Amino acid sequence: GENVEQHPSTLSVQEGDSAVIKCTYSDSASNYFPWYKQELGKRPQLIIDIRSNVGEKKDQRIAVTLNKTAKHFSLHITETQPEDSAVYFCAASKGSSNTGKLIFGQGTTLQVKP
Amino acid sequence: EPEVTQTPSHQVTQMGQEVILRCVPISNHLYFYWYRQILGQKVEFLVSFYNNEISEKSEIFDDQFSVERPDGSNFTLKIRSTKLEDSAMYFCASSDEGGGTEAFFGQGTRLTVV
Repeated sequence: GENVEQHPSTLSVQEGDSAVIKCTYSDSASNYFPWYKQELGKRPQLIIDIRSNVGEKKDQRIAVTLNKTAKHFSLHITETQPEDSAVYFCAASKGSSNTGKLIFGQGTTLQVKP
Repeated sequence: EPEVTQTPSHQVTQMGQEVILRCVPISNHLYFYWYRQILGQKVEFLVSFYNNEISEKSEIFDDQFSVERPDGSNFTLKIRSTKLEDSAMYFCASSDEGGGTEAFFGQGTRLTVV
């Protein structure tokens, strides 16, 4: 069935370092890959997304890469800051579907130490 | 900025009771979703709703669950006879298109079944 695996489950970095979170998906029909940031007790909020017609997308300190052949996609955060500390979820969706269902990974708890 | 709003923020109910969780999606959106997140776990898809009918549902969404759009603005999730394992954060989300577009999440309703 549809599945998204996310690693690592926890990640601790020093402020200013880079953080990388990786996801793999099982359904080759998936073609939309959003990343959500969830602060404690709050709603998930989209931080970046990528569609399968591109291999990389960047927005300031955040970038996402996609390898369709390997069914991998990754989130890269550079120059991390304490306010980046949160749980990050990757997700996959079939862009052509009429449901918009998102399948989420298990989440990565990122801690940025000042 | 338009937001998805959910009420109540926290609901405590006794096992076996019925609960209704309410959501007001973003006004021009056409696709509506319910997700749940058991404490410390990933966000799980429950159901998607489009054109006044369910477009997809997960295995979690059994006969105890139902959704309704009773008027032009509200979208509700009903759990007919709650179980202890229904305790979770329930998120409503909406999007203006189906697959491949950003889903906007509400702030969630924390359901506690005792």
